[in-house]
Amino acid sequence: QKEVEQNSGPLSVPEGAIASLNCTYSDRVSQSFFWYRQYSGKSPELIMSIYSNGDKEDGRFTAQLNKASQYVSLLIRDSQPSDSATYLCAVNPYYNNNDMRFGAGTRLTVKP
Amino acid sequence: IAGITQAPTSQILAAGRRMTLRCTQDMRHNAMYWYRQDLGLGLRLIHYSNTAGTTGKGEVPDGYSVSRANTDDFPLTLASAVPSQTSVYFCASSPSPGVNEKLFFGSGTQLSVL
Repeated sequence: QKEVEQNSGPLSVPEGAIASLNCTYSDRVSQSFFWYRQYSGKSPELIMSIYSNGDKEDGRFTAQLNKASQYVSLLIRDSQPSDSATYLCAVNPYYNNNDMRFGAGTRLTVKP
Repeated sequence: IAGITQAPTSQILAAGRRMTLRCTQDMRHNAMYWYRQDLGLGLRLIHYSNTAGTTGKGEVPDGYSVSRANTDDFPLTLASAVPSQTSVYFCASSPSPGVNEKLFFGSGTQLSVL
C-alpha cells in the first residue's frame, strides 16, 4: 500500500460544478497535510494546508481533514477551466520534518 | 523576482556520465530539498538539507549526492548516470525544516539518460 493514495483520474467536471478530490494516508502520526496544484509542464504550487480535523476554507477551495479515518479532501467550488491541473496531496509525518510524502496526483479537467 | 532557479531546464545525458543539477534560491530559506517526479509515482525525496553545512538522505538517495556549502546553493550530482535516473527533478525550499512548513519549488529539470 502506498503511503499517500489518490485516485489518478482523470476527473472531469463541468464549469461551475464542485470538484471533489480525495486522498488517504497510511501513517497515523501524520501531522500536516497539503494540497499542491501542478499545471502540465510546471512545478507544484501550494494551494491549501490543513493541520487539524475539520474544514478549512480559502476562497473557492475547502480542505477537509479526518485524522480518525486518515482521509483528507479538497473541494473546489464553482470550478473554472483554469482549475484544470493535477492536484497533489502531501502528508508530513510528526517524526521526521523532512519526510513529506506525496501522492501521485489526481488530474482534474474542467470543461467549459 | 525572488524564488528558486534550476539549471539546466533539460538535458540529455549518456549513461555513465557525471552530471550536476544546479539549484539556487534567493529567499534565504534554511531548508532545501531535491525531489524526482515520475509518472504514477509522484514526487519522491532524494536528499535534503536543513541548514548550510548539513545534508540528509531522503526516500531514494542511491546514485545521487548533494552538498550545501552556503544558504543559497544546493547542487545535486549524479556520479554515473543510469537510464533509471531519467526523470523530472525539482529543487524546493522552505523557510525552516519544520513539519508545518510549505515547500516552494523551482521550475524543474527534465533529465533523460540514454
